[in-house]
Amino acid sequence: AQSVTQLGSHVSVSEGALVLLRCNYSSSVPPYLFWYVQYPNQGLQLLLKYTSAATLVKGINGFEAEFKKSETSFHLTKPSAHMSDAAEYFCAVSARNTGKLIFGQGTTLQVKP
Amino acid sequence: DTGVSQNPRHKITKRGQNVTFRCDPISEHNRLYWYRQTLGQGPEFLTYFQNEAQLEKSRLLSDRFSAERPKGSFSTLEIQRTEQGDSAMYLCASSPTSGGYDTQYFGPGTRLTVL
Repeated sequence: AQSVTQLGSHVSVSEGALVLLRCNYSSSVPPYLFWYVQYPNQGLQLLLKYTSAATLVKGINGFEAEFKKSETSFHLTKPSAHMSDAAEYFCAVSARNTGKLIFGQGTTLQVKP
Repeated sequence: DTGVSQNPRHKITKRGQNVTFRCDPISEHNRLYWYRQTLGQGPEFLTYFQNEAQLEKSRLLSDRFSAERPKGSFSTLEIQRTEQGDSAMYLCASSPTSGGYDTQYFGPGTRLTVL
């Protein structure tokens, strides 16, 4: 069975500081991995995805993530946080045959001025 | 392309009542997914359709839940005899093909409150 674990339910950074949100996955087959962002009372928006091409994936709004098979990790980073980055972030793995997403519990990012 | 839409956005009902939610996917998207999200948790898979065929249902989907996609376009999710534990955000998503690598595009969700 596939699963995702997000380490840290709440991360707080200062504006301009590095953002690092952690995600570890478990999968018996090569995974497809996704990061989604959710703003209050809204649906989820895709930030980026890994589909077995380049291991360093660049997404929207300056975010990127690196797939590390040896560490079973797919951590999300951004060099400099903006106030507008404050939101809930979800890491997910996709079941290859059905496409259904298995999500982590989410990490709330707080950005302090 | 107006994105995935869901109606209503909010629904408040009394325990024991039936409710129905609607999802309109992006046109020509073959796959349609339903998820449920409770406060402080990630979305959990409920069911999905390939065109009009419902191909998988989660064990979370009790007999009180039913979903349809009659013509392979919009979908409805009905909950019969609602319980307080059904209170959650119900999210719909669509994707263009059946590949597990495909991006799922999410609607804004329907927030259900059962009193």
